[in-house]
Amino acid sequence: DTAVSQTPKYLVTQMGNDKSIKCEQNLGHDTMYWYKQDSKKFLKIMFSYNNKELIINETVPNRFSPKSPDKAHLNLHINSLELGDSAVYFCASSLSLGASGANVLTFGAGSRLTVL
Amino acid sequence: AQSVSQHNHHVILSEAASLELGCNYSYGGTVNLFWYVQYPGQHLQLLLKYFSGDPLVKGIKGFEAEFIKSKFSFNLRKPSVQWSDTAEYFCAVNGHSGGYNKLIFGAGTRLAVHP
Repeated sequence: DTAVSQTPKYLVTQMGNDKSIKCEQNLGHDTMYWYKQDSKKFLKIMFSYNNKELIINETVPNRFSPKSPDKAHLNLHINSLELGDSAVYFCASSLSLGASGANVLTFGAGSRLTVL
Repeated sequence: AQSVSQHNHHVILSEAASLELGCNYSYGGTVNLFWYVQYPGQHLQLLLKYFSGDPLVKGIKGFEAEFIKSKFSFNLRKPSVQWSDTAEYFCAVNGHSGGYNKLIFGAGTRLAVHP
C-alpha cells in the first residue's frame, strides 16, 4: 500500500541512451515533484507539477522532460544520458498551498540511475 | 533566494550521547521548517515540522527542534541517541515560489552512532 511509488528502483544504462522513470501517488495529492540527490547526498528540486501543470522548473538541461498525464502520475524522461546524470531521483507529492497539511512532502523510495 | 545551511556534515556519537544538529536558513518571508531523515538505502521521512505557534516542536522517535527566529535557526536535538538513529538528516525550508511549495534542502548531516 505504498503512498508514492517509483519504478524502476535501479537503472543501469549506457551514455547516450534514453530512459524514463515513473512515479505514482495514491494520497490524493495534487502536486508532484522530482528531486535529484547526487553522490554527496545533496537534494535539489528539478520540477514540480500541480494538477498536471508545470509550476516549478529549475535550471535543468532540456534533456530532462517531465510529463504528468494526470495529477496522480509524474514521469521523468531523460534523453541522451550523460555520466553526470548518475544520481538517485526522488519523486514526492503534496497538497497545494492553502490546503490543510500542505507543505509536507511525501517521498518515494527513489530510483538509482547509473550511467556507464 | 532561499537557502539552508547545515554546519555539521558528519557527526559520530556513542549510544546515549546527546545530539544537536545545526540548521540555519535564509529567507525573508514566512517560513515552514522541516527535518527529514534518510536511513541507509531508504527514502526521506519526515521527522518533524514547524509551521507556527510553539517554537519548540516535537517529532517522532524522541527528536525535537527549536525555531529561533532571531537566529534564523532550526536546530535538531535528541537527548539520547540510539544505534538505530544512524542516518542522514536533512533540514529544509519551504519558501513559496509563485504561490507553490518549493522545499529547499540543506546539504545533510550524516550521523553515525556507535554501540
